[in-house]
Amino acid sequence: AQSVTQPDIHITVSEGASLELRCNYSYGATPYLFWYVQSPGQGLQLLLKYFSGDTLVQGIKGFEAEFKRSQSSFNLRKPSVHWSDAAEYFCAVAGNRDDKIIFGKGTRLHILP
Amino acid sequence: DVKVTQSSRYLVKRTGEKVFLECVQDMDHENMFWYRQDPGLGLRLIYFSYDVKMKEKGDIPEGYSVSREKKERFSLILESASTNQTSMYLCASRTYPANYGYTFGSGTRLTVV
Repeated sequence: AQSVTQPDIHITVSEGASLELRCNYSYGATPYLFWYVQSPGQGLQLLLKYFSGDTLVQGIKGFEAEFKRSQSSFNLRKPSVHWSDAAEYFCAVAGNRDDKIIFGKGTRLHILP
Repeated sequence: DVKVTQSSRYLVKRTGEKVFLECVQDMDHENMFWYRQDPGLGLRLIYFSYDVKMKEKGDIPEGYSVSREKKERFSLILESASTNQTSMYLCASRTYPANYGYTFGSGTRLTVV
């Protein structure tokens, strides 16, 4: 069965520092991978997705993620965080493009001024 | 931009009431989904629908039903609300074939007292 693990429930970084949020997935074949962000009181917004091709994908708001098949990981990165990046981030996986998406439990990002 | 609109942001209902949560999308998407979101548990899939009049159970369908009479509207029904159904409910839609992930509504925070 597909599953997604986000090992960090909370992460705190200083504004301007770099960020990496970890995501590990469990799936037999090449999965379809997503990162979503949820600002307080809002729904989820798609940051980026990986379906195939280049393993480094660029997303909105300056985020990127790298698919590493050997490590079953899809970590999210940003070189310099802004206070507005404080939110909850969800990694997600699907077995194919049209399959329903399985979400991780989320990582809440806190930004120190 | 695709819009997914959930009719209520906040809702307070009494135990035993029948509750309707409405979700409307304006981009002719085939697929629609209902999730509930609880702290520490992430998003859990309640029901989904791949087309009009179609519905399939997700991971936690007990105590819920759905209705999809028109393509743009997907309703979640709590037949007899209970306090353990107090949660944030998120609706999402997706086109088919899916070139993108889900588009989410802003959520309905339901409190059952």
